[in-house]
Amino acid sequence: DAGVTQSPTHLIKTRGQQVTLRCSPKSGHDTVSWYQQALGQGPQFIFQYYEEEERQRGNFPDRFSGHQFPNYSSELNVNALLLGDSALYLCASSFSNTEAFFGQGTRLTVV
Amino acid sequence: DQQVKQNSPSLSVQEGRISILNCDYTNSMFDYFLWYKKYPAEGPTFLISISSIKDKNEDGRFTVFLNKSAKHLSLHIVPSQPGDSAVYFCAASMTSYDKVIFGPGTSLSVIP
Repeated sequence: DAGVTQSPTHLIKTRGQQVTLRCSPKSGHDTVSWYQQALGQGPQFIFQYYEEEERQRGNFPDRFSGHQFPNYSSELNVNALLLGDSALYLCASSFSNTEAFFGQGTRLTVV
Repeated sequence: DQQVKQNSPSLSVQEGRISILNCDYTNSMFDYFLWYKKYPAEGPTFLISISSIKDKNEDGRFTVFLNKSAKHLSLHIVPSQPGDSAVYFCAASMTSYDKVIFGPGTSLSVIP
């Protein structure tokens, strides 16, 4: 079992650009959540997808959007990148009421 | 407003001794609490959880204690090992499948 896999692992983008991050959940998991972790802070909840719909959303602007596909994989899209969007983006998957398993993250740097 | 607080950014403990990591929360609606461990360049790894109907949960060397009246929980690691050196995140949610709110983390160093 490959666990939760995220791609790419590192990414450098220019301010104003758009970025797409990808996540494949752990086998058997149907729920995907995305988190943003800034340096020195804990992960901050962005949103959660279940059955291809956004089920919950944290306090993030509409520039952050996502999608879940029929195979449960997910994408996180960020438009009009700001310098402050530089962070580690974590994907977590879960099934029913089990604890979430995290991927290794995508390190996004906005310059 | 930080709903989950870990007031000690770092902790240093001798190998073989007990490590105690503390966490406070403000939202009385939280019903499920978790601890995650994170090594550099890796995602957080689930350690142990506790629901609000319990006051203690034990898994090997790891024990979590919950004091609902004080809105406080703690993670005890006994005995501490050098491989336990990592950042530990306290987290909480309103149900076991709800969004998880993380604290800022405590960096634990276990000295051989």
